Amino acid sequence: DGGITQSPKYLFRKEGQNVTLSCEQNLNHDAMYWYRQDPGQGLRLIYYSQIVNDFQKGDIAEGYSVSREKKESFPLTVTSAQKNPTAFYLCASSTLAGVTDTQYFGPGTRLTVL
Amino acid sequence: AQTVTQSQPEMSVQEAETVTLSCTYDTSESDYYLFWYKQPPSRQMILVIRQEAYKQQNATENRFSVNFQKAAKSFSLKISDSQLGDAAMYFCAYRSGGYDKIIFGKGTRLHILP
Repeated sequence: DGGITQSPKYLFRKEGQNVTLSCEQNLNHDAMYWYRQDPGQGLRLIYYSQIVNDFQKGDIAEGYSVSREKKESFPLTVTSAQKNPTAFYLCASSTLAGVTDTQYFGPGTRLTVL
Repeated sequence: AQTVTQSQPEMSVQEAETVTLSCTYDTSESDYYLFWYKQPPSRQMILVIRQEAYKQQNATENRFSVNFQKAAKSFSLKISDSQLGDAAMYFCAYRSGGYDKIIFGKGTRLHILP
């Protein structure tokens, strides 16, 4: 079945540690996105990528980094520079950027900093 | 900058009744797309319905329909014959026509009363 997978579902991190969230899609989508969701805040865009080896900052990129070495994969690293990383993280993908296609979402990763 | 506002943080409706969720947006663009996403307790984001701004006809998907008032910049979602499975957070979202960044509202939590 085609879809977007995120792993792990739950992730715990100690302060000062970097952690990487996985996002994989087999929909043959060109564009991929990372969102952060906090209670009462809706979704906020962290980073997005329209093609392999290229990505752009979203609204809240500070303290995060990404890579896009393969079309299917868009991992997000939460670095120790992110001051308040506890949140729910959603990955999404869509077909060619600039076209009207909808973003489809993965099941999310809940990150908790201990 | 574009903004999306959902003025109802929570709503309740009796099962089998009809409910309308409100959304307003602010933009100076003429080409854009509007979406309603549903996020059930599983936290998986699911597309409910989408509307292209250039289309005058309101979008419908089974029990879900929208009232798109372009001049008023209003995009409400009507759910008919509400079912227990409709209980979720509902997010209104905006996407510019020439750019695929999506801006989300803060959401409306919908409760279905049996």
